[in-house]
Amino acid sequence: NAGVMQNPRHLVRRRGQEARLRCSPMKGHSHVYWYRQLPEEGLKFMVYLQKENIIDESGMPKERFSAEFPKEGPSILRIQQVVRGDSAAYFCASSPLDRPQGGGYTFGSGTRLTVV
Amino acid sequence: DQQVKQNSPSLSVQEGRISILNCDYTNSMFDYFLWYKKYPAEGPTFLISISSIKDKNEDGRFTVFLNKSAKHLSLHIVPSQPGDSAVYFCAALFSSNTGKLIFGQGTTLQVKP
Repeated sequence: NAGVMQNPRHLVRRRGQEARLRCSPMKGHSHVYWYRQLPEEGLKFMVYLQKENIIDESGMPKERFSAEFPKEGPSILRIQQVVRGDSAAYFCASSPLDRPQGGGYTFGSGTRLTVV
Repeated sequence: DQQVKQNSPSLSVQEGRISILNCDYTNSMFDYFLWYKKYPAEGPTFLISISSIKDKNEDGRFTVFLNKSAKHLSLHIVPSQPGDSAVYFCAALFSSNTGKLIFGQGTTLQVKP
């Protein structure tokens, strides 16, 4: 039973390019959360998705960022026209439940995005 | 506004001794508090949690204490082992919300052999 799979592990983009980060949740998990960790900071919530639905995007920047979790395939976090400030580690977590309590999340190993 | 704060960026402890990691929060409506451990280049791994209706939860070498009046929680690791060296994050959530976690900044624990 594979864990949460994120790819790529490392991604380098030039300013102005697009970045696509993928997350395959654990088998049987239909809830996906994306978090961002800037250098020297904690993880910050970005967006919560269920299959084909965005449930909570209160942590997403208003521009350039979008997320989806299609019926088939992985969840995608897309960053258009990247800037240096987007350089961070992006983590995906999945859960079999909504509102998991007591540690019901499983995190992936993250994608480290570097914008040059 | 930082609703969950870990004011100590780092902590160094001798192997076999107790490690105490602290966390403060500002919102009394949080329902659950969780501790995660993170190694470099890996995702956070769940350690232990506590409901806001309890004041202590224990799991092996790990114990979490919650002081609601002080809005403070702590993680005790006894005895500390070199393999415990990692970054520890405190997190909180509202059970009535969408389940999103609010994390502190993290404390780097170094356990010296």
